[in-house]
Amino acid sequence: DSGVTQTPKHLITATGQRVTLRCSPRSGDLSVYWYQQSLDQGLQFLIHYYNGEERAKGNILERFSAQQFPDLHSELNLSSLELGDSALYFCASSARGAMTDTQYFGPGTRLTVL
Amino acid sequence: ILNVEQSPQSLHVQEGDSTNFTCSFPSSNFYALHWYRWETAKSPEALFVMTLNGDEKKKGRISATLNTKEGYSYLYIKGSQPEDSATYLCAFSGHGGATNKLIFGTGTLLAVQP
Repeated sequence: DSGVTQTPKHLITATGQRVTLRCSPRSGDLSVYWYQQSLDQGLQFLIHYYNGEERAKGNILERFSAQQFPDLHSELNLSSLELGDSALYFCASSARGAMTDTQYFGPGTRLTVL
Repeated sequence: ILNVEQSPQSLHVQEGDSTNFTCSFPSSNFYALHWYRWETAKSPEALFVMTLNGDEKKKGRISATLNTKEGYSYLYIKGSQPEDSATYLCAFSGHGGATNKLIFGTGTLLAVQP
């Protein structure tokens, strides 16, 4: 158990809908990262937050947005969902956000868009 | 475009065999190389973070080496056990950003037969 929690574990929804994925980092960690794992693709970096502020964006679609709240939990919002958004979404946390920080991964949320 | 490549894609060994696999990454702007172990239906688990050329890290029967000048890292497993069966991922982070953005390879899937 990494100490990172994600809810829900599974989510099934329809095209065009909007969903929110939630992540709570390990106690004391200030950084939260979101990754997407699609079929036949490696883990793709989406976005990084540090202590409430956005630090970097990867290949995140405009239909996707995220935020980190004062209690440091984070939410990833996915809107106007398409079939291709079906994937495993991971949240990871680290102490600070330095390049040598270990990132600890949560159990993931499996999103299925029908 | 930064590319991280892992080989082989998959590996089948017998219990007790020793094995190794490779991660290739850009040698310029290197900052850190991360190794993760990812068991089916679980989340990626951090093994090592390596930063220095010539670095060698060890955790039980698993060890890793790093060559930043030529851009590769090896992961070794001595005396493989069935519980070592997993996908082993490496991830690269480089200079040029103020964030620990990890670029993942697609992994080496290891299956250890009892």
